[in-house]
Amino acid sequence: DAKTTQPNSMESNEEEPVHLPCNHSTISGTDYIHWYRQLPSQGPEYVIHGLTSNVNNRMASLAIAEDRKSSTLILHRATLRDAAVYYCILSFHNSGGSNYKLTFGKGTLLTVNP
Amino acid sequence: DVKVTQSSRYLVKRTGEKVFLECVQDMDHENMFWYRQDPGLGLRLIYFSYDVKMKEKGDIPEGYSVSREKKERFSLILESASTNQTSMYLCASSLLRAGTGNTIYFGEGSWLTVV
Repeated sequence: DAKTTQPNSMESNEEEPVHLPCNHSTISGTDYIHWYRQLPSQGPEYVIHGLTSNVNNRMASLAIAEDRKSSTLILHRATLRDAAVYYCILSFHNSGGSNYKLTFGKGTLLTVNP
Repeated sequence: DVKVTQSSRYLVKRTGEKVFLECVQDMDHENMFWYRQDPGLGLRLIYFSYDVKMKEKGDIPEGYSVSREKKERFSLILESASTNQTSMYLCASSLLRAGTGNTIYFGEGSWLTVV
């Protein structure tokens, strides 16, 4: 399985941008990069995903390096509600090619200071 | 909105009991998953299913089994609960293949304590 590496924790101030890095040097050509976040006592929720090009949605932006070996989740203006564990995940195809699963690492705990 | 509903939010069971955790999704998703989450270990995949009556082992299937008799329902079974199965269990579903970029949707989790 392709693995991801994220910092254990990061801190930000409210209303400032946050850049959450992720390294995935063994990514394969067909792996998508997904980001999820998990608020306390809740299940993870989808944030964004991409393959090669940078992506934007109402929650965040995803910047993908040209060699695809790293990516950065960008929260443009952090709020207190963005305090969560953020997971960077690669899709995984099993050898049969017909089934897919996402393998979660430990993620980055983002603290947002008022 | 997609909804993944886990039948029990909090359960307390005795060692040796058979435990059923039920999960229902309302968006006709092919894929369904069971994860467990423990402090310091993150989310670990127990089993997943890509179609009715089809299942595949995840990373930690020992001590668990699953059942998918209907497309919308995926059950996790602990045949004989043990204290090391005390954890939060998360059910999830996705359309077709998660690897193609389809979003995976999670339930709110079931907190199981085995005493």
